[in-house]
Amino acid sequence: AQSVSQHNHHVILSEAASLELGCNYSYGGTVNLFWYVQYPGQHLQLLLKYFSGDPLVKGIKGFEAEFIKSKFSFNLRKPSVQWSDTAEYFCAVRSSYKLIFGSGTRLLVRP
Amino acid sequence: EAGVVQSPRYKIIEKKQPVAFWCNPISGHNTLYWYLQNLGQGPELLIRYENEEAVDDSQLPKDRFSAERLKGVDSTLKIQPAELGDSAVYLCASSEGRGSDTQYFGPGTRLTVL
Repeated sequence: AQSVSQHNHHVILSEAASLELGCNYSYGGTVNLFWYVQYPGQHLQLLLKYFSGDPLVKGIKGFEAEFIKSKFSFNLRKPSVQWSDTAEYFCAVRSSYKLIFGSGTRLLVRP
Repeated sequence: EAGVVQSPRYKIIEKKQPVAFWCNPISGHNTLYWYLQNLGQGPELLIRYENEEAVDDSQLPKDRFSAERLKGVDSTLKIQPAELGDSAVYLCASSEGRGSDTQYFGPGTRLTVL
């Protein structure tokens, strides 16, 4: 069965630090990959997505992710985090029209 | 443009009671999804509708869960009777229905079963 692994369950950073959240998936076919973010008290929002083409995708709020097919990875990055990035981040792979999510990473950015 | 609307936002019930959640998708979205999110985990699909047809309900516990989308627009998810382990957030999402489209999520209903 397809699965998504997010290696870090909790991450604490200071403002201006760089961020990288790991995501690995197990699925051998064509993949559609997503990062969703859930800010405190808000609903899940799409941060960025990869369907095909350039493996480096840019999303909202300065986030980007790189699809590395050989490593089955889709890591999320941001060069300089802000306090407002405090949220929970979910990686997901689309398989047969449904999204399979990782368990999420809670990011706390200290001012 | 309005997003996915869900109600209620919070629900507290005693075990063995019935409960229902309502979802109104984004206008024009043919595909509707219900997901279950347990604490500390990512959402898991319960059922997917294409218009009014349930095309994937393999993960829906049919002994106590039911869902409907009668006119292919809004949908209701029901649990009867509720159990303690059903305490979770129930998320509704919708998408346009094309092959590689994006799912948009509602705020969810947080259910607590006492």
